[in-house]
Amino acid sequence: EVQLLESGGGLVQPGGSLRLSCAASGFTFSSFVMNWVRQAPGKGLEWVSTIGSGGSTYYADSVKGRFSISRDNSKNTLYLQMNSLRAEDTAIYYCAKDIEEALAPDNWGQGTLVTVSS
Amino acid sequence: DIVMTQTPLSSPVTLGQPASISCRSSQSLVHSDGNTYLSWLHQRPGQPPRLLIYEISNRFSGVPDRFSGSGAGTDFTLKISRVEAEDVGVYYCMQTAQTSRTFGQGTKLEIK
Repeated sequence: EVQLLESGGGLVQPGGSLRLSCAASGFTFSSFVMNWVRQAPGKGLEWVSTIGSGGSTYYADSVKGRFSISRDNSKNTLYLQMNSLRAEDTAIYYCAKDIEEALAPDNWGQGTLVTVSS
Repeated sequence: DIVMTQTPLSSPVTLGQPASISCRSSQSLVHSDGNTYLSWLHQRPGQPPRLLIYEISNRFSGVPDRFSGSGAGTDFTLKISRVEAEDVGVYYCMQTAQTSRTFGQGTKLEIK
């Protein structure tokens, strides 16, 4: 059974940093495209970042230059390093894996809440 | 970035009746590999999203056959043949044709 477990969320001041982790199990982590998607309170879904199985990375304009996605295939873990955090980054952050045969997120974690506030 | 526009934003439906949600993209979602990367996801309150449909019309594993997807190019539709109580929540279309992925605003399905 595929499991994705996010951690690392919490309260941080504007301008601060956080690193989110997503521990993956139940599939060959190194072979799959992985994503971070966020959802601000009461709002819709916003794609944040994607990392390919080969390590190529992609970012939404809203986080480019501030966030960095990475993966450690030896630990089956996905990361999101978030710097220069702003109030508008407040959201639940979900990690999701793509389906093997297509570009679509088929399994999602339960999410971790990031709150940026003074 | 490709803008995804869903209509309606809210849809009250009667149990057992059909429902339909439209999604329009600002650019064609046909990828250079020939596939069209348009997906539909469903999110119940307090839950993460779950994948329903990928590549316009492919139902994901375990998704009931009352859900169907159709369309081409820039216009797509999700249909529920007979709405059940468990179908309430918000439905999102999502494009992955470009490396910068985008979601629609979401359509809230509620029971009359």
